[in-house]
Amino acid sequence: DVKVTQSSRYLVKRTGEKVFLECVQDMDHENMFWYRQDPGLGLRLIYFSYDVKMKEKGDIPEGYSVSREKKERFSLILESASTNQTSMYLCASSPSRGSTYEQYFGPGTRLTVT
Amino acid sequence: AQKVTQAQTEISVVEKEDVTLDCVYETRDTTYYLFWYKQPPSGELVFLIRRNSFDEQNEISGRYSWNFQKSTSSFNFTITASQVVDSAVYFCALVEEAGNMLTFGGGTRLMVKP
Repeated sequence: DVKVTQSSRYLVKRTGEKVFLECVQDMDHENMFWYRQDPGLGLRLIYFSYDVKMKEKGDIPEGYSVSREKKERFSLILESASTNQTSMYLCASSPSRGSTYEQYFGPGTRLTVT
Repeated sequence: AQKVTQAQTEISVVEKEDVTLDCVYETRDTTYYLFWYKQPPSGELVFLIRRNSFDEQNEISGRYSWNFQKSTSSFNFTITASQVVDSAVYFCALVEEAGNMLTFGGGTRLMVKP
């Protein structure tokens, strides 16, 4: 079974703090993704990575950065958290660069910025 | 640009009723893939089905069935004899062959009451 884990289920941070969200997958997948989920907007892609040290911007990269130093780990960084970044964050992975493969999702991190 | 629309934000049914979740998409590519995901209260998205644009055969899996119609750019999902455990948010998504990024609809929250 593919396993995608995220470091926290719930996180509360203050405005201006630097926030790290970690994601680890155990199936040697090349692709990894970070989404945010907001009511009525579905999932929106923030960044994705198709290889170690490679990254590409998604639809809403502003205010975020990412890091992929190892194949199994993909980190999302909020350099200076703001209240409009309060959201559910979902990590996903998929087995190749090809678009035919479904993505496997982690359980999500609900981040609240106060 | 690709777009996925799920016009129904919330649906409420009584157990054993049949329910159809609508999905309409837009894409300029002739080759693309459509997906349905289920997100139960636990938060983790669960893959349900993938369909490519050249396969218009309808699919049935137990109580679930999918109706893909290219003529109307729709990929609707029907649950027959709904159960309380079907209560979840359901997402339709699209990826074009040339891309890596899934575009999600806004999701439909299905509530099945006993």
